[in-house]
Amino acid sequence: DVKVTQSSRYLVKRTGEKVFLECVQDMDHENMFWYRQDPGLGLRLIYFSYDVKMKEKGDIPEGYSVSREKKERFSLILESASTNQTSMYLCASSLLAGANYGYTFGSGTRLTVV
Amino acid sequence: DQQVKQNSPSLSVQEGRISILNCDYTNSMFDYFLWYKKYPAEGPTFLISISSIKDKNEDGRFTVFLNKSAKHLSLHIVPSQPGDSAVYFCAASVSRLGGSQGNLIFGKGTKLSVKP
Repeated sequence: DVKVTQSSRYLVKRTGEKVFLECVQDMDHENMFWYRQDPGLGLRLIYFSYDVKMKEKGDIPEGYSVSREKKERFSLILESASTNQTSMYLCASSLLAGANYGYTFGSGTRLTVV
Repeated sequence: DQQVKQNSPSLSVQEGRISILNCDYTNSMFDYFLWYKKYPAEGPTFLISISSIKDKNEDGRFTVFLNKSAKHLSLHIVPSQPGDSAVYFCAASVSRLGGSQGNLIFGKGTKLSVKP
């Protein structure tokens, strides 16, 4: 089974801090994604990547950046954390194609910015 | 504009009865549909999928129905169990030239509560 591991389950950070959220997958998936989930708003795509050193903006990239130096690792960076970035952050990975295409999600990181 | 819509934010069902979760889409190019289930403080997990060449796919208590002409799909859970209480997300994607699959587009989710 594919495993997507997010480094932290819960984080509390101060406003203005630089925050790193790490995600690692172990099945050689090409695609990796970062989402945030908020009540009533569903899953909103922040950034995604199809390959190493590649990144594409999703629907809500403002205030975030990403890094993909290795195929298995995709990092989300909050350049200067703000209280409106308090959310559940979900990382996912997938193959580029396949008969059973779908995403495998990590367990999520609940980030609170105070 | 939302391409995948789940118009019911919540649904409450009695244990043992049928749960029906609905999803509508606007993009006629979507050709692959999935349902994910999410418990609080966990990531979504894949539940069931259906290709546009089919109109029904069944897996145990879970059945997904696809009505392409109405651009509508539904997830039926029979019988519903308290452990099914979760948020359910509908998702859709488009096949690309060359065989790759486009990004999944998610609905906003429906919170299902199954009461004992």
